[in-house]
Amino acid sequence: AQTVTQSQPEMSVQEAETVTLSCTYDTSENNYYLFWYKQPPSRQMILVIRQEAYKQQNATENRFSVNFQKAAKSFSLKISDSQLGDTAMYFCAFKPGGGADGLTFGKGTHLIIQP
Amino acid sequence: NAGVTQTPKFRILKIGQSMTLQCAQDMNHNYMYWYRQDPGMGLKLIYYSVGAGITDKGEVPNGYNVSRSTTEDFPLRLELAAPSQTSVYFCASSQDRANSPLHFGNGTRLTVT
Repeated sequence: AQTVTQSQPEMSVQEAETVTLSCTYDTSENNYYLFWYKQPPSRQMILVIRQEAYKQQNATENRFSVNFQKAAKSFSLKISDSQLGDTAMYFCAFKPGGGADGLTFGKGTHLIIQP
Repeated sequence: NAGVTQTPKFRILKIGQSMTLQCAQDMNHNYMYWYRQDPGMGLKLIYYSVGAGITDKGEVPNGYNVSRSTTEDFPLRLELAAPSQTSVYFCASSQDRANSPLHFGNGTRLTVT
C-alpha cells in the first residue's frame, strides 16, 4: 500500500511571494503518477499539475511547478508570484501505474495568501 | 459538458436512516470512484468501478454499498446511517488510462445526528 505525507498542515505567505509545499510518498512501485490538487473554499477539487514517474523533467503549468525527486520519493509544489486566489487546501496524490486504482491522498496543506 | 454531477449538495440524516448519494458523469469515463473527506484527513477511497456491472471495495467500504448499472451513473448507498459517516463525499471519474487525472464532482456534505 502507498502512503502520502504532507508535513505542513498550514502555510501563510504574502501575495507575490514564492511558496513551496512539501510532499513525500512511500511505494514499492516503479511506475506511478503524482498529482497536486487544489481545493478552494468552494470545495471543488481542481487538478493543478501531474507528473509521470518515468519522466525526469519536472512538470510545469504556468506559475506552478514541481520538484520531483524519485530516489528521495519527494514531490514538492512551487507556486511562483502567489495570488490571493491561490488560497486553498492543496492535496498531493499518488496513483499506481496500472489498473484502476484510485488516488491515495495526503492530508493536505492549507495555504493562505495574505494581501 | 456538465462533467461529474453529484446530488444532493447537502443532507442531514438521523441515525439509522438510509439514503442514496447520486453521481452521474457525461464524459463516457469507464472508471468511477467514491471518496469521503473528513476534516484534516484528506480523501479516502470508499468504492470504485471500472465499468458497468463491476465494482470493488476501496480503503473504507464498511457501511456503504454501490452499484453500476450504466456507464454514466454510480450511486452510493448508506444503510443505517451512523454519526461516523458524517463527512463530505466526492464522486470522481477518469478515463481508463494510467496517467488520467480524476475529475471530481462538487461533493455532498452529509451530517448524521
